[in-house]
Amino acid sequence: QVQLVQSGPEVRKPGASVRVSCKTFGYMFTNYYIHWLRQAPGHGLEWMALINPSDGGTTYGRNFQGRVTLSRETSTNTVYLDLNNLKSDDTAVYFCARGIFTVPNYDFWGQGALVTVSS
Amino acid sequence: QSVLTQPPSASGTPGQRVTISCSGTISNLGNNFVYWYQHLPGTTPKLLIYKNNQRPSGVPDRFSGSKSGTSASLAISGLRAEDEADYYCASWDDTLKGSVLFGGGTKLTVL
Repeated sequence: QVQLVQSGPEVRKPGASVRVSCKTFGYMFTNYYIHWLRQAPGHGLEWMALINPSDGGTTYGRNFQGRVTLSRETSTNTVYLDLNNLKSDDTAVYFCARGIFTVPNYDFWGQGALVTVSS
Repeated sequence: QSVLTQPPSASGTPGQRVTISCSGTISNLGNNFVYWYQHLPGTTPKLLIYKNNQRPSGVPDRFSGSKSGTSASLAISGLRAEDEADYYCASWDDTLKGSVLFGGGTKLTVL
């Protein structure tokens, strides 16, 4: 069955970087886009970026341009989110979600990964 | 600040009908479909409505969506206690290279 399994919680200091992975199972990896969203404590959902696993093409949200990089590894059906120059307000639960192209039509989600940024 | 504007809160009593609005612009709701999600604490968001008014299989017909111009709404009829959750609208935005936008979310309380 379709599953998106994310890496575990991370703690980082301000200014550091973090990588969150999203390993997919149960479907053709290159047939669906992967989107990344996050939810900070007390805040709503915020879209960050998407990747087309077929060709590696990416689109980044304006709030994250220059700080986020998405990549994929087709041999392991895994997508990676790299976020650098972390700030305390990057503390959030980060979700990957399977989407149909670029639109926010998500049928399966990862379980979420808590990233805590604290000195 | 979200470009898709939702009321921060809504409420109703069991059995009532409530609506949640989502306001955008030409570049998002005006030119693109709206999607609605239900999010319960500690869970992953659930797609309720896609392409303005379509329900995925398994979503009760108590949930309905509509869109007109740059505004959209989600209606929940026959309100139940388990409907208490956060609700988000989302859409593609054509500005610059494009991006996905989410509304700020509406906390629905069942009184």
